[in-house]
Amino acid sequence: AQKITQTQPGMFVQEKEAVTLDCTYDTSDPSYGLFWYKQPSSGEMIFLIYQGSYDQQNATEGRYSLNFQKARKSANLVISASQLGDSAMYFCAMREGGRGSTLGRLYFGRGTQLTVWP
Amino acid sequence: NAGVTQTPKFRVLKTGQSMTLLCAQDMNHEYMYWYRQDPGMGLRLIHYSVGEGTTAKGEVPDGYNVSRLKKQNFLLGLESAAPSQTSVYFCASSYSKTGLAGWPRTYNEQFFGPGTRLTVL
Repeated sequence: AQKITQTQPGMFVQEKEAVTLDCTYDTSDPSYGLFWYKQPSSGEMIFLIYQGSYDQQNATEGRYSLNFQKARKSANLVISASQLGDSAMYFCAMREGGRGSTLGRLYFGRGTQLTVWP
Repeated sequence: NAGVTQTPKFRVLKTGQSMTLLCAQDMNHEYMYWYRQDPGMGLRLIHYSVGEGTTAKGEVPDGYNVSRLKKQNFLLGLESAAPSQTSVYFCASSYSKTGLAGWPRTYNEQFFGPGTRLTVL
């Protein structure tokens, strides 16, 4: 079974609108972390936001917020007030922690290509 | 502070040739990773290292070898390149911290290098 599932290969949003990118995960480890990375067309991987499994509140970083629903095992990324520069591939990733873990390795989803149009 | 750097940025090989990709980080991170990215596949872990002198296999290790002789460097080797190894290779590094009573151990985000685009003809 896939550890990370991103069901939206592509998403389109108009500038200044909000958009939600879906991510579901699968783990039996009580200690884990969820990450979102952005990959623009230039190719580099840019860290956006992190949510730990023990965190009580949803993570926020500027225009990015993570809608963490632990019971549903979902960690959707919400981008508010989209900008043209947000057009990129977005990857959801998970690392499992705790005893017996594979020491911080990340499991990646297949990504969602976001296009922001004027 | 350069972060994570990768050498080279681009390379074209012929089938059967060998090469080494170099990853260097100046953040004193314990953990280093090599991933490959293929279209529609996300990133997949090739090998990783939890410290100087130690390496371990990831999800797709076949055809690759690694070495971590110094804490700041993580080398990825292809002994006999195959067209199936055409990909973009990313190196990453991270560190961990331990909570109260030694658990849980949490891992901070991975910092990625700029990638190496490898084509095997």
